[in-house]
Formats: sequence, C-alpha cells, structure tokens
Amino acid sequence: DAGVIQSPRHEVTEMGQEVTLRCKPISGHNSLFWYRQTMMRGLELLIYFNNNVPIDDSGMPEDRFSAKMPNASFSTLKIQPSEPRDSAVYFCASSFPGTNTEAFFGQGTRLTVV
Amino acid sequence: AQTVTQSQPEMSVQEAETVTLSCTYDTSESDYYLFWYKQPPSRQMILVIRQEAYKQQNATENRFSVNFQKAAKSFSLKISDSQLGDAAMYFCAYRSNNQGGKLIFGQGTELSVKP
Repeated sequence: DAGVIQSPRHEVTEMGQEVTLRCKPISGHNSLFWYRQTMMRGLELLIYFNNNVPIDDSGMPEDRFSAKMPNASFSTLKIQPSEPRDSAVYFCASSFPGTNTEAFFGQGTRLTVV
Repeated sequence: AQTVTQSQPEMSVQEAETVTLSCTYDTSESDYYLFWYKQPPSRQMILVIRQEAYKQQNATENRFSVNFQKAAKSFSLKISDSQLGDAAMYFCAYRSNNQGGKLIFGQGTELSVKP
C-alpha cells in the first residue's frame, strides 16, 4: 500500500478563497483523523471519522471549516472562506479497527493563506 | 476531556548520551493506549513506541523505552545512546478506548543531538 495520501502537498491561496484538502486513507483502515499543526498549538485534532461517520468534530475551529468522508477511501477538509490564521500544516491519518493500533499519517498539506 | 501535556518545548543531548522526554496526561478512563511519535524535518510522523495502559511492564524498542506510571499519569520516553538521526520533534499521544478511539497529541518536544 502507498500509505495515506494527501493532496496537495502545498497550497498558497488568497484570503477569502475556498480551500479543499484531500485525503486517501490506507485501504482497510476504518478510522480517519484530520489534524492541524502549528508552532503555537502543536497537533490539534480537528475531526475524526469511524466507518465514514463523523464521531467528534469538537476540534473544528469555526463554521468555516467542514469535513466529509463520502466513502471509505476518500475524505476532504474544506475551509471557506480562508483566513491568514488558517495557515498551518494539515495532516490526515488513518488506522485499522481497534484502539490499540497506531495511526498512520500522510505527508501533510502546508497551507499558506496570504 | 482528555489532555496531553509535554512540558519541555526543547531538549538537547550529546551524541551517545541518554535523554528523557516527559509527558503527562489527564483522563478519567482506566483503559487506553499511549504512543510516542517522531517527526523529523521531513514532516513525516513515525511511530516510535506504544504502551497499553493495562500492562504494567514498560515497553521497549531497541534504544527507546518508556517509563509508564499509571497512577501518576506519566509516560516518559528514554532514548539511550542518542544518535544524530534522533534529532526531531517528539509527540506524546493518548488514544481513548472509548469515544471511538479518539487520538490526541501533546504540544511536542524538539530534540537536538549535538555531535
């Protein structure tokens, strides 16, 4: 398996624009996590899914953020409208069933909002 | 809600020496899992070691070992015989056995290794 695949790797956008980050989890994994990494806050859990169903989205900072998982092999994180303070590295991770299992991370998307 | 705290933003160690990174967590659960991840400059997150809360024996993986103190809610990582390649950001993580396996991280500790 190619691992967790995120796209794009880098995104530069202007304030006010819509941004969509994409993630393909490892086949067979049923848990999917979205994280945001910044120097100030470290790795923040934004939302996670089990079996394509959102379980906890309490980490989503504002209504400008939304995430979907239409099927087991694809998820998106959308920011609309984007703001400079959204600049960060966004990670997607997936894991097998079972909470004793590790999460495998994608390479992350570095988002810059100017 | 669970929290994970890493109180050392930065640590430094001499090559071949031993260093310990601290992590504490807060939870009301009795069954959970703890992890240490390494993030080198490449940004890739790499699992270093895991610990099941129901196991009293501390986990070890080659030069990496943990000191798990369940009552104190402490989970430190010891790196022995430090190597230049160990330089990275290290994250402590907690995975709930409830809440659908929620996985949360501490703020990270940046480790530098001096030759």
